[in-house]
Amino acid sequence: NAGVMQNPRHLVRRRGQEARLRCSPMKGHSHVYWYRQLPEEGLKFMVYLQKENIIDESGMPKERFSAEFPKEGPSILRIQQVVRGDSAAYFCASSPPGLANTDTQYFGPGTRLTVL
Amino acid sequence: GQQVMQIPQYQHVQEGEDFTTYCNSSTTLSNIQWYKQRPGGHPVFLIQLVKSGEVKKQKRLTFQFGEAKKNSSLHITATQTTDVGTYFCVGNAGKSTFGDGTTLTVKP
Repeated sequence: NAGVMQNPRHLVRRRGQEARLRCSPMKGHSHVYWYRQLPEEGLKFMVYLQKENIIDESGMPKERFSAEFPKEGPSILRIQQVVRGDSAAYFCASSPPGLANTDTQYFGPGTRLTVL
Repeated sequence: GQQVMQIPQYQHVQEGEDFTTYCNSSTTLSNIQWYKQRPGGHPVFLIQLVKSGEVKKQKRLTFQFGEAKKNSSLHITATQTTDVGTYFCVGNAGKSTFGDGTTLTVKP
C-alpha cells in the first residue's frame, strides 16, 4: 500500500509565477490536510479537505492560495503570483474516513518550494 | 481558539542523557498524538494517547497524558544520536492543532 505521494518534491518558481502542488492520499483515505513549514519553524495548518469539499480553510491566506480535492485525481494546492515569502516546505497528510479528529495523519514527503 | 504550547523549543543533550518535551493545551483534548520529524524529512506518527492519565512506552520513549487531558509529555531515556529531530504533539478536540515542536540535538 503506497504511502502519501506528493509531487513535485522540489519546485522552483520566479516571483509572479504560479505554483501547483499535488498530493495523492493513501489508498482508502478520504481526508486530506495541507501544512506549511517555514525553515526552522513548526508545521502550520492550512486547509482540510474531503472529496470535493473544503471542510476547514482557516489557515489559508485569503489571497493567492487555493486548494481542491476533486472526485477523481489528487488534491491540488495552488499558489498564484508567488512571492519570496512563499518559499517553504508544503506537506500533505491524509487520514481514513471517519472521525478525522481522532485519526492518525500520514504525511507525504513534502514539496519544497523555492521562489527566486 | 484552541492553542497547543510545546516546550522547550530546543534541547541540546549529550548522548546518554535523558530528554523530555512537554505539551500543554488551552482546552481539554479528546486525544493527543506525537510525531517525529527527522532533519530534512517529514513528520512520522509515533503514538496516540486517549485516556486520562494514560502512559505508553516504546522502548526508550515514554508518553504520558495528563489526568485533565490538557497536557502531555514525551520522555526519552538515554538519548542516542538516532533520536535527533523535531518532536511534535498534536492536540485533537474537534480539530487538530500542532504544537510548534521541540528540536532535539544529541552530541556524541
